[in-house]
Amino acid sequence: AQSVAQPEDQVNVAEGNPLTVKCTYSVSGNPYLFWYVQYPNRGLQFLLKYITGDNLVKGSYGFEAEFNKSQTSFHLKKPSALVSDSALYFCAVRDNDTGTASKLTFGTGTRLQVTL
Amino acid sequence: ETGVTQSPTHLIKTRGQQVTLRCSSQSGHNTVSWYQQALGQGPQFIFQYYREEENGRGNFPPRFSGLQFPNYSSELNVNALELDDSALYLCASTGQGYYGYTFGSGTRLTVV
Repeated sequence: AQSVAQPEDQVNVAEGNPLTVKCTYSVSGNPYLFWYVQYPNRGLQFLLKYITGDNLVKGSYGFEAEFNKSQTSFHLKKPSALVSDSALYFCAVRDNDTGTASKLTFGTGTRLQVTL
Repeated sequence: ETGVTQSPTHLIKTRGQQVTLRCSSQSGHNTVSWYQQALGQGPQFIFQYYREEENGRGNFPPRFSGLQFPNYSSELNVNALELDDSALYLCASTGQGYYGYTFGSGTRLTVV
């Protein structure tokens, strides 16, 4: 069974500083990995995905993520945080086994708080 | 292109009642999934529909059921509502060759 762990409930960072939101995963085959952001009382907005290729993936709003197969990690990063980045971030994994439904398994989420 | 739209945005139901939630998939997407997000938790997969048939299901009881229509829109039906069914219900669509998922804004269901 596939699973995702987000070890930090909350990450606090000052505006202008770099941020990292951690994610580790477990799947039986090669993973498809995703990051989504959720603002209060809203649905999920797609940030970026890793399917194959370069380990560093660039996404929306200046976010990027590094895929590390040996450590089974997919940490979300941004060089310079903004107050408007404050939100709930979810990491998700999909097993690319075509024999299974293409469901996403989500982590429990990490709340990012960016302060002035 | 239009995104995923869900209706209604909010509703309140009484325990034991039945509810239907609706979702219109993004243009060009033929697969629809439903997720339940309880307060303070990550979304949990309920089921997925492709070509009007359920082709995957999470750990939810049979009182959670769904439909997909020829235009790829979808319904989620929940019978015999329980208090624990109170959650944000998210619909997501995807299509062939598109590895990501587009989510709607969700329906907030409160069971009292």
